[in-house]
Amino acid sequence: DTGVSQDPRHKITKRGQNVTFRCDPISEHNRLYWYRQTLGQGPEFLTYFQNEAQLEKSRLLSDRFSAERPKGSFSTLEIQRTEQGDSAMYLCASRGDSNSPLHFGNGTRLTVT
Amino acid sequence: GESVGLHLPTLSVQEGDNSIINCAYSNSASDYFIWYKQESGKGPQFIIDIRSNMDKRQGQRVTVLLNKTVKHLSLQIAATQPGDSAVYFCAPYPRYGNKLVFGAGTILRVKS
Repeated sequence: DTGVSQDPRHKITKRGQNVTFRCDPISEHNRLYWYRQTLGQGPEFLTYFQNEAQLEKSRLLSDRFSAERPKGSFSTLEIQRTEQGDSAMYLCASRGDSNSPLHFGNGTRLTVT
Repeated sequence: GESVGLHLPTLSVQEGDNSIINCAYSNSASDYFIWYKQESGKGPQFIIDIRSNMDKRQGQRVTVLLNKTVKHLSLQIAATQPGDSAVYFCAPYPRYGNKLVFGAGTILRVKS
């Protein structure tokens, strides 16, 4: 068990480009979450998967954002036509059963120039 | 909706002293509470959790107290060390729902 892994750690992109981030959860965890965090704020919920099913999406997740978890293991978060306001840390977390805490990865820091 | 507030946005303590970080929550339906520590450039790291049927839980150098009557949590760190310097978040988990709600956090600075 190596914990939650996110790739890349850092991404710099120009406005208007598309970016995709990957998250590998702890192997036996069937619940996977994406959060976004900006400087000086706590993480904000974006979306939640149980196995391959996306069960909840925040209103923060505009139509430029899409998340998938095709086989119920790793997940991807894609942002299309990036904007400067998308600059943030994107955090992935996973958990096992409903009585356990979320375990976070170290995030992908996105900078949109 | 849920809101989470913290009484002290920044706490400075001397190395070796005890630290107390407070947190207020608004949703009385929360039945599971988690404290996280976040160091610069890293994701939140689980410290300790407590369920609503408990009022105190102890870990290694940390104690969490829960007062459901006033919807208040505290995290006590004994013999604070420089490595404890970080941002601390409390995150209530609702009884019905899928997501943790985070406040802005409390910055803990440990002076040597």
